[in-house]
Formats: sequence, structure tokens, C-alpha cells
Amino acid sequence: DVKVTQSSRYLVKRTGEKVFLECVQDMDHENMFWYRQDPGLGLRLIYFSYDVKMKEKGDIPEGYSVSREKKERFSLILESASTNQTSMYLCASSLVGGSEAFFGQGTRLTVV
Amino acid sequence: QQQVKQSPQSLIVQKGGISIINCAYENTAFDYFPWYQQFPGKGPALLIAIRPDVSEKKEGRFTISFNKSAKQFSLHIMDSQPGDSATYFCAASLPSGTYKYIFGTGTRLKVLA
Repeated sequence: DVKVTQSSRYLVKRTGEKVFLECVQDMDHENMFWYRQDPGLGLRLIYFSYDVKMKEKGDIPEGYSVSREKKERFSLILESASTNQTSMYLCASSLVGGSEAFFGQGTRLTVV
Repeated sequence: QQQVKQSPQSLIVQKGGISIINCAYENTAFDYFPWYQQFPGKGPALLIAIRPDVSEKKEGRFTISFNKSAKQFSLHIMDSQPGDSATYFCAASLPSGTYKYIFGTGTRLKVLA
């Protein structure tokens, strides 16, 4: 069974902290994505990676960076967390040329 | 031009009724239109998808209707059940091979027993 696992379901961090959100997939997928989900705004793409060490900015990359050192792991980094980054973060993966994206269960981040 | 507009924001339907969710897009280069279903506490999961070379696709109680000239597509849930209560997202992607989706804003569906 396909699986995308996000390391935390809930996180509370302080303004200015460096935050790491981790995502691991066990499907040997080349593509991995980080989305942000907010009420009334849907899912918005933050960053995308199509191979190890390769990344592309999505629609809302400001304030975020990513790391992909291994094929199965894709990390989202908030260099200096701010309250407007309080949100649900969703990781997804897919095969190259594969139309279906498989999502993790999400990490609800609160920045106080 | 990259937006996908989804309506309604929320929908309440009686058990056995038909649920209809609509989406509209501007970019005629989009070539793949999936619908994702998300239950509370879970990530979205692919429900059904269509490409613009067909006008309708049906899988069980779920049907996508696609109107290329109007740049609209919709999800119909026939015989809606309480277990269908979830948030539904339409999406679109460009023919890049990467399937980076542009998602709609979501519709929260509640089916009353």
C-alpha cells in the first residue's frame, strides 16, 4: 500500500524559530511536493522536487526552503517562522509522468 | 489565468440526493482535471479524473462532466451517502509531465442521513 508519512500531525512553534517539516514516501516516487492548505484558499504549491537535490519554486515559496538529500525524503524548512505561516502543510509524491499524487495526512503548524 | 474557480464553498444534500460541484478555468492549455476527496484528519486522495478529449467520465456514483468550450467541469455524486461527507477539490494541470496541480478552493459537502 502506498504511503506518504509526515513526521508530525501537530506542531506549535514560536515566532522566529527555524522549523523543519519532514516527509517520507515508500513508493520510490521521483516527484515530491509541499502544499499549504488554508480555508477558502484550497491547496497552494510551495515547492516541488523532481529528483534528489533538484527543486523548483511553486506558487508561494516566500519564507520557505526545501531539502531533498535522499529520494524518499523531502523536507520543508521555515527559516524564521511567522504567524502568517500558521497553516496545514501537506506533502505529496508521484511518479514521473504519473498523474496521481499521493498525499500524507498533513501537519497542522501553529506559530505563536 | 492559472486559477481554478470552484463553487459552492459548502453544500448540504439529503441522503439519496445528487451533489453537484462546479469548477471553471481560464487556461486552455490545462490538459488534466482531477477531483480529490479529503476526509477530516486525512490528506486528499484522488477520486476521479478526466482529460479534455472526453465530455464525461463515470466511476460508480461519481461522474465528471466536462465542457471544453465553456471551460468548465463538474463533479456529480449520485445517490449521495453520509459517507460521502468530505471536502472536495477540483484541480487542473498543464501538459508538463510533472502534474503540478492548480487546486480549486474546495467544497465542504455534508450529506444528511
